[in-house]
Amino acid sequence: NAGVMQNPRHLVRRRGQEARLRCSPMKGHSHVYWYRQLPEEGLKFMVYLQKENIIDESGMPKERFSAEFPKEGPSILRIQQVVRGDSAAYFCASSPRAGPSTDTQYFGPGTRLTVL
Amino acid sequence: DAKTTQPTSMDCAEGRAANLPCNHSTISGNEYVYWYRQIHSQGPQYIIHGLKNNETNEMASLIITEDRKSSTLILPHATLRDTAVYYCIAHNDYKLSFGAGTTVTVRA
Repeated sequence: NAGVMQNPRHLVRRRGQEARLRCSPMKGHSHVYWYRQLPEEGLKFMVYLQKENIIDESGMPKERFSAEFPKEGPSILRIQQVVRGDSAAYFCASSPRAGPSTDTQYFGPGTRLTVL
Repeated sequence: DAKTTQPTSMDCAEGRAANLPCNHSTISGNEYVYWYRQIHSQGPQYIIHGLKNNETNEMASLIITEDRKSSTLILPHATLRDTAVYYCIAHNDYKLSFGAGTTVTVRA
């Protein structure tokens, strides 16, 4: 049973370019979460999505960042007009369900974004 | 999520048990205690979780005190590959809150 897949694993962009990060959840999981880890810091929640719906984007910067989880295909985290401060590791996690009680999130290997 | 407090770092001898403490004195009744670890900037790896009872799986054991204000993660036979940052998280919704964790170094 394949785990959470993320690609690319490493991404280099120049300031002003766009970055697209992809996440394929574990088989049978319909809930996806994105986290960001800045250098020397802990992971911070960004956004929670179900198929075709954004449930909670409270941790995502209001500008330049967007996320989607279409009916078909992987979840996409998109960063427009990247700046050096966007350099970080971006992790995706998935779970089979979520709700008032917890459900275990399983993480992918991450995408390391470097902005030159 | 309830705030958790963990030691900054600890060393452990290879082959010995590693006992990682976590304080969560403000935990509420419906918050679970979760443990994850992150090995050298890889994605966080789920280890174990529990609510009230002690739990054991193939990776570790989780001991939760009766008042639920603290817990201990036990790695029964630490190996060099267990060197990682270990995170204790108390939560009851989908937002995992990762603190600084405990940097565990297993020495030969």
